[in-house]
Amino acid sequence: AQTVTQSQPEMSVQEAETVTLSCTYDTSENNYYLFWYKQPPSRQMILVIRQEAYKQQNATENRFSVNFQKAAKSFSLKISDSQLGDTAMYFCAFMSFDMRFGAGTRLTVKP
Amino acid sequence: ETGVTQTPRHLVMGMTNKKSLKCEQHLGHNAMYWYKQSAKKPLELMFVYSLEERVENNSVPSRFSPECPNSSHLFLHLHTLQPEDSALYLCASSQDPGLAKNIQYFGAGTRLSVL
Repeated sequence: AQTVTQSQPEMSVQEAETVTLSCTYDTSENNYYLFWYKQPPSRQMILVIRQEAYKQQNATENRFSVNFQKAAKSFSLKISDSQLGDTAMYFCAFMSFDMRFGAGTRLTVKP
Repeated sequence: ETGVTQTPRHLVMGMTNKKSLKCEQHLGHNAMYWYKQSAKKPLELMFVYSLEERVENNSVPSRFSPECPNSSHLFLHLHTLQPEDSALYLCASSQDPGLAKNIQYFGAGTRLSVL
């Protein structure tokens, strides 16, 4: 069974600094996708970034980038130049046949 | 705004009540999903519908009854719930089910409290 583990229940970062959120997963599949979703206090889950497992190049979306280590089954999210609006729950997700989510990391950006 | 709308935003019900959650997507997607989000736990997939047919049911108790009358609307009918069913219920949609590349778009959820 596929499982997704986020080992950091809560994190905080100063505004304008960089933070990395960790995610590991377990699967025997070779083709899959990985996602990071953001859930702000408004509760609406928003896709932050997506990575295709067969692509070695790490995905990047503006201030958000990932460090995808397929052999280690690791998929961390780096947020650069953190902004107050980045305060949210962040969920790592694995998709092969159905979507599996981690338990989330609550990120607080402090002014 | 993700194009997925859920109503109501909040719902309080007694254990003997019957209520329904509604989800509507304006994205032209073919697949819709219900998830349960409890504190400090991963999202739990409850139901998947593809073109109005249920394709997955993750052993959800029968007191939760989904309905998908068309590809744009999804309901979750609730009856004789238990206090442990209190949670945030999220609806999502995607272009197709089961294709890993498809992004799921989520609604803002219904916060359900069972007294």
